[in-house]
Amino acid sequence: EAQVTQNPRYLITVTGKKLTVTCSQNMNHEYMSWYRQDPGLGLRQIYYSMNVEVTDKGDVPEGYKVSRKEKRNFPLILESPSPNQTSLYFCASSLRASATSPYEQYFGPGTRLTVT
Amino acid sequence: GESVGLHLPTLSVQEGDNSIINCAYSNSASDYFIWYKQESGKGPQFIIDIRSNMDKRQGQRVTVLLNKTVKHLSLQIAATQPGDSAVYFCAENTWGNQFYFGTGTSLTVIP
Repeated sequence: EAQVTQNPRYLITVTGKKLTVTCSQNMNHEYMSWYRQDPGLGLRQIYYSMNVEVTDKGDVPEGYKVSRKEKRNFPLILESPSPNQTSLYFCASSLRASATSPYEQYFGPGTRLTVT
Repeated sequence: GESVGLHLPTLSVQEGDNSIINCAYSNSASDYFIWYKQESGKGPQFIIDIRSNMDKRQGQRVTVLLNKTVKHLSLQIAATQPGDSAVYFCAENTWGNQFYFGTGTSLTVIP
């Protein structure tokens, strides 16, 4: 089954304790992205990656890191989490985007993170 | 950053009626627009997209209209069904692969 998986689905942690949220897709997609979703703010893009070893900042990259060492994986790293990073996080992937192909993104189920 | 907004945060419609969800965008250079549906507890799901060189695109029971003059996007759902109850987001993309999402409209279908 074609899908995007995220782990963990739920995480409660304390300020300053480094954490990683994993994202994996089995569709051989080149494009992957991380979003956070907050009430009243919709989804905001954190980072995206056009291909292996290529990553770019989105709208709200501060406090986050990503890596793309393999095509299927795109982990989100919070080196020193803070309470304002409490949010619902989504990973997404799509085929290579171009002027003639759609940007249809497939989203993972989400990771709810609470930082106390 | 971009500003993508929705006119109404909630919308209630009777089952069988047509639904119209609106979205305003601020960047006239945006060249690609997408509508997503998000059901409770799930990630967003692609519904339909449209490029800036078009003003209308139809899918199964859904139609997206794009008015570049007033920078307005709408999603029309025909014969709305209870399964259409969800939050709907519009998103825009400008000259690359960064996406900007609206805050969402919650659609409730009344049986």
